Amino acid sequence: EAQVTQNPRYLITVTGKKLTVTCSQNMNHEYMSWYRQDPGLGLRQIYYSMNVEVTDKGDVPEGYKVSRKEKRNFPLILESPSPNQTSLYFCASRLGASGANVLTFGAGSRLTVL
Amino acid sequence: SQQGEEDPQALSIQEGENATMNCSYKTSINNLQWYRQNSGRGLVHLILIRSNEREKHSGRLRVTLDTSKKSSSLLITASRAADTASYFCATPLYNQGGKLIFGQGTELSVKP
Repeated sequence: EAQVTQNPRYLITVTGKKLTVTCSQNMNHEYMSWYRQDPGLGLRQIYYSMNVEVTDKGDVPEGYKVSRKEKRNFPLILESPSPNQTSLYFCASRLGASGANVLTFGAGSRLTVL
Repeated sequence: SQQGEEDPQALSIQEGENATMNCSYKTSINNLQWYRQNSGRGLVHLILIRSNEREKHSGRLRVTLDTSKKSSSLLITASRAADTASYFCATPLYNQGGKLIFGQGTELSVKP
């Protein structure tokens, strides 16, 4: 089944404890992206990647890192999480960089930073 | 500010009724996309309409696009309780890697 898989789905952590949210897609998509969703603020893009070893900042990149060493994986790294990073995170992918392609989303990762 | 803004923010209807959601956007687009999100879950693509199209159908969904008014609408006919979800419009930016800008969404509640 074509899908985007995120892990973990739920995580409670403490301020400053590094964590990684993994994202993997099995559709050979070139483009991958991370979003966070917060009440009243909608979906905001954190980082995106047009292809392997090509990443760029989205609208809210502060406090996050990403890497794209392989086409299928696009992990989101929080080096030193803070409470304002408590949010619902989504990884998404699409065939190419063109906006004519639609996004396939993962099921989401709900992160709480205490 | 958001490229896409939706109206209404929330809509409550009875099963069998039609639901209409509207989306307005600011800049020129080459397509507009609608997504659905069940509570706390990932978004699922519903339909894409290109800028040279005025109307598109998919099952019980009907999407219209008026580029002169920079607006789109999503109509769900004969709604079901299972249609209860949030619905988002999204438009890609020409630059920034075709980044999709999402509206705030319309929260639809269909009561049985």
